[in-house]
Amino acid sequence: DVKVTQSSRYLVKRTGEKVFLECVQDMDHENMFWYRQDPGLGLRLIYFSYDVKMKEKGDIPEGYSVSREKKERFSLILESASTNQTSMYLCASRSGAGPYEQYFGPGTRLTVT
Amino acid sequence: GENVEQHPSTLSVQEGDSAVIKCTYSDSASNYFPWYKQELGKRPQLIIDIRSNVGEKKDQRIAVTLNKTAKHFSLHITETQPEDSAVYFCAASISNYQLIWGAGTKLIIKP
Repeated sequence: DVKVTQSSRYLVKRTGEKVFLECVQDMDHENMFWYRQDPGLGLRLIYFSYDVKMKEKGDIPEGYSVSREKKERFSLILESASTNQTSMYLCASRSGAGPYEQYFGPGTRLTVT
Repeated sequence: GENVEQHPSTLSVQEGDSAVIKCTYSDSASNYFPWYKQELGKRPQLIIDIRSNVGEKKDQRIAVTLNKTAKHFSLHITETQPEDSAVYFCAASISNYQLIWGAGTKLIIKP
């Protein structure tokens, strides 16, 4: 079974803090994704990485950056957290060779006060 | 760019009845259409998917149909059970990597 883990289930940070969210997968997947999930808006892609050290912007990259130094780990960084970044953050991974199923982590509920 | 619309946002059905959730997409180049189920407090999981060269796919009580001409696809759940209660997301693939997601449908199964 694919296992995708995220560093925290719940996180509370103050406005202006630098926030690190980490995601680790154990299936040697090439592709990894960061989404944010807000009610009524579905899943919106922040960034994705198709291989180590490779990254591409998704639909809402503003205010975020990412790092992928090792194949199993994909980090999302909020350089200066703001209240409008309060959300559920979901990480996912997928094999680059197919099938196309994305495997999700349990999510991190981030609250910025 | 690609846009995926999903309807309804909430669907309430009697246990044992069928449920249908519909999605439309805008980019005719989209070629892969998955459906994910997210139970309360849990992560989304793939339940069924379909490629653009197939019109229908079934897996026990769930099925997905695709109409490429009209650019819409639907999820059908028959003989609904309490464990079908969840939020369902459709998505369309615009590239090898990126999925565009619908806003989700909350399915409520009434006993």
